Amino acid sequence: RKEVEQDPGPFNVPEGATVAFNCTYSNSASQSFFWYRQDCRKEPKLLMSVYSSGNEDGRFTAQLNRASQYISLLIRDSKLSDSATYLCVVNQAAGNKLTFGGGTRVLVKP
Amino acid sequence: EAGVTQFPSHSVIEKGQTVTLRCDPISGHDNLYWYRRVMGKEIKFLLHFVKESKQDESGMPNNRFLAERTGGTYSTLKVQPAELEDSGVYFCASSQFEGGYGGYTFGSGTRLTVV
Repeated sequence: RKEVEQDPGPFNVPEGATVAFNCTYSNSASQSFFWYRQDCRKEPKLLMSVYSSGNEDGRFTAQLNRASQYISLLIRDSKLSDSATYLCVVNQAAGNKLTFGGGTRVLVKP
Repeated sequence: EAGVTQFPSHSVIEKGQTVTLRCDPISGHDNLYWYRRVMGKEIKFLLHFVKESKQDESGMPNNRFLAERTGGTYSTLKVQPAELEDSGVYFCASSQFEGGYGGYTFGSGTRLTVV
């Protein structure tokens, strides 16, 4: 079983619609959680950190469910520019290394 | 503020040759990380420096890989001799704080192709 699992997609989303997807992690001792965005052939860029209480940044909302060991990302009012691969990233309990999921591809279409 | 800079952006070498990748972190970031993505796989951790010290090198695949960070500034990752399976994108990242708080900033990566 992978340490961090994501639905690879693609999620085909009409412009203006809402899309949500999850990520599960296997290590219950994981301490911090992030969503990164990666455009084709570019580096990952931090989208948002994910806190236990859930957090929102504009059109993006992230949730953490420690009991079920998953995090989620919701994008409201999708824009064409939201098309990207969204990487679920977990900081395991030991040390500072990040563990990446394989990414969820989102395609926003007019 | 300058970001994380990696050089070269692309490298094509023959099996058995040596390649050295360089990473310049954000100024003042003590934490420097190397990651890589091989075709079709997730991005995987290679190692972590705190200043010039290797904090964690558990992700280094074998002794053909050597990372250094002399003086605690830029870092190099040398692959010698390169094998076909070393092909992939090598990312460097830096952070001000340990634990990822405040986020990691990634460089644009070095795309290594071993032929």
